[in-house]
Amino acid sequence: GAGVSQSPSNKVTEKGKDVELRCDPISGHTALYWYRQRLGQGLEFLIYFQGNSAPDKSGLPSDRFSAERTGESVSTLTIQRTQQEDSAVYLCASSSQPGEKLFFGSGTQLSVL
Amino acid sequence: DQQVKQNSPSLSVQEGRISILNCDYTNSMFDYFLWYKKYPAEGPTFLISISSIKDKNEDGRFTVFLNKSAKHLSLHIVPSQPGDSAVYFCAATGGGSTLGRLYFGRGTQLTVWP
Repeated sequence: GAGVSQSPSNKVTEKGKDVELRCDPISGHTALYWYRQRLGQGLEFLIYFQGNSAPDKSGLPSDRFSAERTGESVSTLTIQRTQQEDSAVYLCASSSQPGEKLFFGSGTQLSVL
Repeated sequence: DQQVKQNSPSLSVQEGRISILNCDYTNSMFDYFLWYKKYPAEGPTFLISISSIKDKNEDGRFTVFLNKSAKHLSLHIVPSQPGDSAVYFCAATGGGSTLGRLYFGRGTQLTVWP
């Protein structure tokens, strides 16, 4: 596609349930990032994939969060046993070179009730 | 530990005037800086960037200034237009442990009124 695509655009779930968020980066982009933005806060780094290198997971807030990427394509972010504080917009971005201009998707608005 | 700081959460400017958005950083490893613009319900979009080898970069109505000694950068929008109303994020990256990651500030909500 022409841009970064994320699905679903909105997700409402009950506390304790697992959720899976999907990101389709721009074709050919080797770097893929997940950020989240909680209400009134800035963009919080979660995880970064670069090619076949081990991902930088240093931003994941707890072991309930995990992410995978298949080659240089689709990525999924999984949150297990969701908590209310996980409510946020989860943004995915990709770039052709690490640290270069990032192209963001429209995000997934996650609401944990 | 906020390594990129935008201390003004909001700014209100009249159409036609200059908007100045400020950003400070703490990590001396940062050597590349970017500004992103975000409308509600959309992802951030890239606006302009500057490398640490420069102190100014201009693109149309947008100019970014970098003061490395003060670890400070600013975005100037002249003239401001109502369509510029959005949240502006400052971001930084560099070498060492920062390589490949973009560190973002909390954003400044710019409102341009007619």
